[in-house]
Amino acid sequence: TQLLEQSPQFLSIQEGENLTVYCNSSSVFSSLQWYRQEPGEGPVLLVTVVTGGEVKKLKRLTFQFGDARKDSSLHITAAQPGDTGLYLCAGARGGSQGNLIFGKGTKLSVKP
Amino acid sequence: KAGVTQTPRYLIKTRGQQVTLSCSPISGHRSVSWYQQTPGQGLQFLFEYFSETQRNKGNFPGRFSGRQFSNSRSEMNVSTLELGDSALYLCASSLGLASFQETQYFGPGTRLLVL
Repeated sequence: TQLLEQSPQFLSIQEGENLTVYCNSSSVFSSLQWYRQEPGEGPVLLVTVVTGGEVKKLKRLTFQFGDARKDSSLHITAAQPGDTGLYLCAGARGGSQGNLIFGKGTKLSVKP
Repeated sequence: KAGVTQTPRYLIKTRGQQVTLSCSPISGHRSVSWYQQTPGQGLQFLFEYFSETQRNKGNFPGRFSGRQFSNSRSEMNVSTLELGDSALYLCASSLGLASFQETQYFGPGTRLLVL
């Protein structure tokens, strides 16, 4: 059973378009993180959201944590080819970050 | 500050063999976690070590084991390799303060192919 469901699995868009990636669960998480992974590299942390309803912005990326801390979304405005990669959400339960539960990821391709 | 390093980067083994992978965390980090990444299952947690002790463990068979040394470097071992063990093995380090806001830093991974 996958505790964190990400959708869509694949997304191919043109440069300049907007997109939203979703991360849903029936479980409550202490925090939720978003990572981006490029081929041949490990995931790189983009943001951590902790409070239900929290919204964080990172340039053209907007992250939201659901009120019940069970779901999250990542919205990218005016996507660029450099945004191409695998976007992963990961939830932490309890007090330790050493045991993250990952979604399977959304593979984003932004064409120029 | 040097990042997390993993060796080797690529490895080819045959079924039944065993393999040892190494991870050097960021200086000052005391927690090292290991993950297995496959196209079908995504990233799955294997175990976490903190101060040379296993602090958390995922749902993997006993063929998967690990250890951590006094300098925080960690190794994971997979015995009696199976074809399904082919994957990217990632390690991540953090300060280990057991805070859910703490950041984990991932290494580039070791890609293991079992033939």
